[in-house]
Amino acid sequence: DTGVSQDPRHKITKRGQNVTFRCDPISEHNRLYWYRQTLGQGPEFLTYFQNEAQLEKSRLLSDRFSAERPKGSFSTLEIQRTEQGDSAMYLCASSLVTPTDEQYFGPGTRLTVT
Amino acid sequence: AQSVTQPDIHITVSEGASLELRCNYSYGATPYLFWYVQSPGQGLQLLLKYFSGDTLVQGIKGFEAEFKRSQSSFNLRKPSVHWSDAAEYFCAVNTAGNKLTFGGGTRVLVKP
Repeated sequence: DTGVSQDPRHKITKRGQNVTFRCDPISEHNRLYWYRQTLGQGPEFLTYFQNEAQLEKSRLLSDRFSAERPKGSFSTLEIQRTEQGDSAMYLCASSLVTPTDEQYFGPGTRLTVT
Repeated sequence: AQSVTQPDIHITVSEGASLELRCNYSYGATPYLFWYVQSPGQGLQLLLKYFSGDTLVQGIKGFEAEFKRSQSSFNLRKPSVHWSDAAEYFCAVNTAGNKLTFGGGTRVLVKP
C-alpha cells in the first residue's frame, strides 16, 4: 500500500495561466476527494468522486475549476486562468464507500500564483 | 449546515505536561467525528474517530478523545506530550456521508 500520492508537490505559476494537478488514490478505494487549504485554515471540501462519477461539487469550485476521474482511478484538478486567490494547498484524499471509512490524505500540492 | 469550532488557535505546552484540545460541532444528530494531525509539509493523518458506542475513544500516538453529546464536544487529550507532538490538529465531522467539514485547527507548540 503506497498511500495517496499527488503531483506536483509545489507549483508556482503566473496569474492567468492554467495548472493541472494529479492525484493517485489508494488502489482499492472507490471514493476520491479534493480539498483546498489556505494558510491558517482547515481544509475545505471542493468535490468528490465515486468511481468515475463526480457526485458533489462545492460552491467554492468556480467554473474555472474542473476535476475528472476518467477511469475511476487517478484524478486531475485543473484551474484555468489562475488568480492570486487560488494560492493554497490542494489536498486529495481517498476512501472506501461508507461514511465511517477513513479518508486517507495525500501530501498535497502547494500552488503559488504570482 | 454542520460546522466545527476549535476555539484555541495556538496552545503552548511543556514537554511531559498534559494536553487538551477543544472541539465543538453543530449538527442535529450524532455526527461521525474525527481528529487529524498535520505536521509541516505533510498531509493529514487520522488520530482517532468516533461513530457510536463508547464515548471515550483511543487513538494512535497515545491520544484519546471523549464525545459529549450534551456539550456537542469532542475534545482531544494526551496525558504526557512529547516534542514530536508539535503540529497542527484538526477536528472534523462527516454528516453528509461523504465530505468532511473541518475546524480551523489548533497549532500546538511544545516547550522543552
